[in-house]
Amino acid sequence: DTGVSQDPRHKITKRGQNVTFRCDPISEHNRLYWYRQTLGQGPEFLTYFQNEAQLEKSRLLSDRFSAERPKGSFSTLEIQRTEQGDSAMYLCASSLHSVYGGTYEQYFGPGTRLTVT
Amino acid sequence: SQQGEEDPQALSIQEGENATMNCSYKTSINNLQWYRQNSGRGLVHLILIRSNEREKHSGRLRVTLDTSKKSSSLLITASRAADTASYFCATQMTGNQFYFGTGTSLTVIP
Repeated sequence: DTGVSQDPRHKITKRGQNVTFRCDPISEHNRLYWYRQTLGQGPEFLTYFQNEAQLEKSRLLSDRFSAERPKGSFSTLEIQRTEQGDSAMYLCASSLHSVYGGTYEQYFGPGTRLTVT
Repeated sequence: SQQGEEDPQALSIQEGENATMNCSYKTSINNLQWYRQNSGRGLVHLILIRSNEREKHSGRLRVTLDTSKKSSSLLITASRAADTASYFCATQMTGNQFYFGTGTSLTVIP
């Protein structure tokens, strides 16, 4: 397995357009996380899945954002009606979680850089 | 607001010196993790320390955790130019979310 991959790596869109990003996690990982990172800041949690179930969403996540992980494998993050404030790096990470061992380290993808003009 | 806060925000040292950065957090945690991020790249996991552990080592890295003070430190010994990066602590609370701090920017001068 080559790690977590994200597609596309860069996306430039006009304000008001919809965009969708894809994340392919490490195959045996049951947890998948989405983060947003702006310049000079640490990653900000958006949401996470355990298998196909979306277990938590950040209160900062507006209803323009939606994420899916339909078969418990890859995930998509969609932003509707993009705004200039959505410009950021969107990071995906996956990890293994077990009832007994807890959560292990997260493996991050390279990110998708979104620029909204 | 973010849970973890790193200190200092920026650190510049000579190659071969040790680098120490600290992380403070606000509430009880399950574990604390340190990550490195090179400019414009994804994050790389360095080390995980669980709430019942006090110290861990990995190569040139040493991490301590003091749950009574709600703080952790990352020590990089014998630094190299390749260690130049931003370093983030991430805390996982019982709610399973991970909270990252704003990071320490480390510059190692050859």
